[in-house]
Amino acid sequence: KAGVTQTPRYLIKTRGQQVTLSCSPISGHRSVSWYQQTPGQGLQFLFEYFSETQRNKGNFPGRFSGRQFSNSRSEMNVSTLELGDSALYLCASSLGLAGGHETQYFGPGTRLLVL
Amino acid sequence: DQQVKQNSPSLSVQEGRISILNCDYTNSMFDYFLWYKKYPAEGPTFLISISSIKDKNEDGRFTVFLNKSAKHLSLHIVPSQPGDSAVYFCAALAGGTSYGKLTFGQGTILTVHP
Repeated sequence: KAGVTQTPRYLIKTRGQQVTLSCSPISGHRSVSWYQQTPGQGLQFLFEYFSETQRNKGNFPGRFSGRQFSNSRSEMNVSTLELGDSALYLCASSLGLAGGHETQYFGPGTRLLVL
Repeated sequence: DQQVKQNSPSLSVQEGRISILNCDYTNSMFDYFLWYKKYPAEGPTFLISISSIKDKNEDGRFTVFLNKSAKHLSLHIVPSQPGDSAVYFCAALAGGTSYGKLTFGQGTILTVHP
């Protein structure tokens, strides 16, 4: 079974631009979560989608948004990029079972550099 | 507010010996815990998990212990191998409506010397 895939793997943007990152979950997984990893803040939760609905959201500004499609693929968008948005963006998928006690499997990440 | 803490930034052990990685949490709503291993510029790889209804879970060389009263968990790797060298993260989930929100510790860099 193929793992979680993310595209693109690397991205360079300038301040003020916007960016869209894509995530394809493991086949059969309906929940997709997004995380940001930076040296200073570590791994932080952005949001989670299940059946095209955002069920949970972390403490990030509204410039960070996402969506999920009917095939469970997900995209996240960051508008008006700032230097501090430079990070490794990770998505993770899981079955999305009720109760939430399940393992999330991560993709390789997208490295975003904002100049 | 760091709800999951890994107080040791790094750990160095000899090949064949035991590696013990520690993690403390403050949120009593956390009821499911996971350990991930991560190499630079890659996504975390799942190692092992434990539910709060258990105090121990084993999978091959990896054992996780949970002490709920102390809000402490540890990962034991026996025997340690050079290929285990990586950053290890503990993560916690609060059941119920905390959909998909893993709260991570800051990580511990494990180095296993041949």
